[in-house]
This record gives sequence, C-alpha cells and structure tokens, in this order.
Amino acid sequence: GQQLNQSPQSMFIQEGEDVSMNCTSSSIFNTWLWYKQDPGEGPVLLIALYKAGELTSNGRLTAQFGITRKDSFLNISASIPSDVGIYFCAGRNTGKLIFGQGTTLQVKP
Amino acid sequence: GAGVSQSPRYKVAKRGQDVALRCDPISGHVSLFWYQQALGQGPEFLTYFQNEAQLDKSGLPSDRFFAERPEGSVSTLKIQRTQQEDSAVYLCASSLPGSYEQYFGPGTRLTVT
Repeated sequence: GQQLNQSPQSMFIQEGEDVSMNCTSSSIFNTWLWYKQDPGEGPVLLIALYKAGELTSNGRLTAQFGITRKDSFLNISASIPSDVGIYFCAGRNTGKLIFGQGTTLQVKP
Repeated sequence: GAGVSQSPRYKVAKRGQDVALRCDPISGHVSLFWYQQALGQGPEFLTYFQNEAQLDKSGLPSDRFFAERPEGSVSTLKIQRTQQEDSAVYLCASSLPGSYEQYFGPGTRLTVT
C-alpha cells in the first residue's frame, strides 16, 4: 500500500544531542501527525499539525507542516534515554492515516 | 480515563482457522479504525467506521477479512481461513467526532503457523 518516505531509517545518538527526522510524500495531506511506538505497544500521538507552514511544539518536540503540504519534520531537543523508540509520521486524508516506515532512535547514555 | 483496549493481546492460529479480534474504543469516540502492521513496517489502513457505519473498507486485503461494529461501540475484526501472510500486529484506533487525532490501542499480535 501507499506509504510515506521517512528518513533516516535509524539513528544512534548520544544523550543530550538534538535529533531531526523528516517525512515526504508525492501526495498532499491536510493533516500531519507524529507518533512514537515502543516495543509491544501501540503508537502514541506526539504532535498533530493542521495548517501548511504550522510549527508546533510539545515539550522538547517541535514539528512543522511543510508549505507544500507534502512534507513534515520532527525535531527532538536534548535527547534523553526514554526517547528511544520508533517514530512514525502519518498523513491524513479522508479519514484514514498513511504512515511512513518509521525512524528507529537509539540514545546512548 | 481508559484508553483503547484490544483483546486478545496475542493469538496463535493454525493455518486455515478463523480468528476474531476485539477492539473497545475510548468512550465517546465515534470513529474507529483498524490497521495492520507487519514486522518492521508502519501501520497500514484496513477499514474504518463512523458509529456503526463502515465508511471505508478499501484496505481489507481480501474477502477473508471482515469487520463489524453493530452497535457503534465495540468492533470485531474477523479473519477467515487464516494464512501465514496474515501474521502481523492488528491495531485499533479511535477518535472524537470532528477530530483528526487517532488514539491507538496496544494491538493484537497474530501469528499463523
């Protein structure tokens, strides 16, 4: 099925570093969402974006909805060990979500 | 308050068996979604309901897959004559009326042997 292109696929960083990941699509989306998934659990919603150009923060997380409506990025500042997990972007049109392949983040204490 | 719950959390089925997976959405959430997540991949849409109406079932991979939500709350995803390629995590999500934010349950991991 259709999926978004998410990069990088994985990251291994030192605690305290900043992280950036992004998501691109050939299709326009009206809403972008970012989720985090821990092993054996369902995705947890981090940030939702509703307008092109919108920049939204949630604690150490910042996400932007691209002007073209075909991309989004997520930044995590000052990473901590509990940031470890898989991060997914998702674009929404007509109800359903289309997900990226995920970015696996590992944080070295 | 309670989140989305799913049962069972794990299911092992022999090839050819039928299975039924249950989802209890968050109270008051009228929209309910089913997704399939293969190992190492992002979730893929299967179907969605608004109240009891199934508005989109375009993601169901074959006519062996069937979903229902007869009273507009609990939903069941049924897979008939399971095949090995059906092995995956099945995720359920729900959302409030007018909201685009979907909240996920923990999933059911189905293994077909």
